[in-house]
Amino acid sequence: SQTIHQWPATLVQPVGSPLSLECTVEGTSNPNLYWYRQAAGRGLQLLFYSVGIGQISSEVPQNLSASRPQDRQFILSSKKLLLSDSGFYLCAWGVGDNSPLHFGNGTRLTVT
Amino acid sequence: AQSVTQLDSQVPVFEEAPVELRCNYSSSVSVYLFWYVQYPNQGLQLLLKYLSGSTLVKGINGFEAEFNKSQTSFHLRKPSVHISDTAEYFCAVLSLGGYNKLIFGAGTRLAVHP
Repeated sequence: SQTIHQWPATLVQPVGSPLSLECTVEGTSNPNLYWYRQAAGRGLQLLFYSVGIGQISSEVPQNLSASRPQDRQFILSSKKLLLSDSGFYLCAWGVGDNSPLHFGNGTRLTVT
Repeated sequence: AQSVTQLDSQVPVFEEAPVELRCNYSSSVSVYLFWYVQYPNQGLQLLLKYLSGSTLVKGINGFEAEFNKSQTSFHLRKPSVHISDTAEYFCAVLSLGGYNKLIFGAGTRLAVHP
């Protein structure tokens, strides 16, 4: 069966420090991969998605970037964190058309 | 452009009472709709989905939702809630831009009281 792993579960980082969040999927090939952010009291905002290795689409301009070095690995990064980058980051995967997404357990990032 | 509106940010309810969480969508073409549940500090779990066919969709944990095209709604219902149903619920529509991108509502926090 397919599983998705996200780490770390929680992270506290100072303003100006770099960020790297990792997500891996097992049990499927060539999935579409997604990074969402959930700010306190708000819904989920799609940040990036990828339909293949090295292919990244950004939905909103921001301080973050994403990379997909391997088929089932998706990384969210920042060179210098801002206070506004705090939030709950969720990775998800999906395959095929009109199918639901499957989410990881998320990373809670607090920028201090 | 598509959008999803969840009309209630919070819904308090007593245990064993029925509940309805409201969701309205905006789209000019056929839509595919989903409800997800999020327990504290966890990811999202799919409750149910509407892709086509019967407008009454049954999901996990006793939840169901009805797709109403004329009212552009996809309300989530449960006839009798449990304390364990306390969570945040998200309605989502599949983006017409392809690649299975989901557009989410702001969420409804369901609080079940004893």
